[in-house]
Amino acid sequence: AQKVTQAQTEISVVEKEDVTLDCVYETRDTTYYLFWYKQPPSGELVFLIRRNSFDEQNEISGRYSWNFQKSTSSFNFTITASQVVDSAVYFCALAMNFNKFYFGSGTKLNVKP
Amino acid sequence: GAVVSQHPSRVICKSGTSVKIECRSLDFQATTMFWYRQFPKKSLMLMATSNEGSKATYEQGVEKDKFLINHASLTLSTLTVTSAHPEDSSFYICSGARDGSSGNTIYFGEGSWLTVV
Repeated sequence: AQKVTQAQTEISVVEKEDVTLDCVYETRDTTYYLFWYKQPPSGELVFLIRRNSFDEQNEISGRYSWNFQKSTSSFNFTITASQVVDSAVYFCALAMNFNKFYFGSGTKLNVKP
Repeated sequence: GAVVSQHPSRVICKSGTSVKIECRSLDFQATTMFWYRQFPKKSLMLMATSNEGSKATYEQGVEKDKFLINHASLTLSTLTVTSAHPEDSSFYICSGARDGSSGNTIYFGEGSWLTVV
């Protein structure tokens, strides 16, 4: 069975602090995809990153970085120098065949000025 | 711009009535679309897989007679909540897969907020 766990329900930081959102996944498949989405209060899902199971390279995009470690089945997301606009709910998701998604429970990030 | 569009974005309906939500792929054909439901402050849960030209596949625990899914064309899937009740109030979001030379890309719609009063 597929499962995604985001143990952090809610995190509060002060602007400019770094913050890491944890994601642990479970699957027996060898080919899979991992995603991070941002969900602002309006509800839409904003795509942040996609990783396939064969690519363990970490990635940096501006203030965002992702650490994928198959050995620990983790795909953590770090925001450097957080800003108030980063406040949202962040979802980690797992997909087998690029269609059906399994979402984690989400982490609500509050960035205070 | 959005490549998967949902309509309406917000709808309020009376208890006992039915409401239809549309999910359109704007510039690609999607033989398969997916419907998710999100309760307030909760995660997104897959409800069903919508297959063009055939019956939808529902996840365990989802009432197929209550949540009617029709995938009439390669660019349109509809979700109809029949005899809606307040507990059906939720955020509904669809997705479609777009084939590409470098692999598939999933696009999510903007979501639809349903409030049943």
